[in-house]
Amino acid sequence: DIQMTQSPSTLSALVGDRVTITCRASQSVGPWLAWYQQKPGKAPKLLIYEAYNLESGVPSRFSGSGSETDFTLTISTLQPDDFATYYCQQYFSYWTFGQGTKVEIK
Amino acid sequence: EVQLVESGGGLTRPGGSLRLSCAASGVTVSRNHMTWVRQAPGKGLDWVAVIYSDGRTYYVDSVRGRFTISRDTSENTLYLQMDSLGAEDTALYYCGSLKDTIGGPPGGMDVWGQGTTVAVSS
Repeated sequence: DIQMTQSPSTLSALVGDRVTITCRASQSVGPWLAWYQQKPGKAPKLLIYEAYNLESGVPSRFSGSGSETDFTLTISTLQPDDFATYYCQQYFSYWTFGQGTKVEIK
Repeated sequence: EVQLVESGGGLTRPGGSLRLSCAASGVTVSRNHMTWVRQAPGKGLDWVAVIYSDGRTYYVDSVRGRFTISRDTSENTLYLQMDSLGAEDTALYYCGSLKDTIGGPPGGMDVWGQGTTVAVSS
């Protein structure tokens, strides 16, 4: 089974900060990686697919990069609406999520 | 508007059964890859099962042999039959559709329902 490890688990930031979340796969998953945003009491929302493709309607301040085993989600300028938990997910072999990164107000 | 609405969750005893439903509108269940994902209270997301558009089904090891994913074309509804439930199955269950990937595996979940809660307790 492919394991996904995100870091950090929690991130404290200010509005306007540049935020980076990393995700590492236990084996190569190619470009087959997605990122999601989840707010309390809500279903997750797809942000990025195939490592760097922005889902329709997602603000351009979100971007993804990486391939094989190492991936990054970047929020260029953190907005108040961005405080949430973020998950990576590989879909090279079935589907496995990372444990999540909570972005909280500093 | 694309919408998925789950139902069927509830409280049941260990060893019991539940059938979850996911009614779809704006998306054709039989033409898309459909999946179930669950989230235990205060925890992260775990993939549970998938049914591909061609009918193939796959399950995470922890539910294989106990859960069955299926679909009803006439009702445009996805199901998850859950048997031999244990406390470890307590979670919010989401249904969703997967993005088709050109030349690659079915991808991220681009449409999610609001979830239905399953609680297993004696």
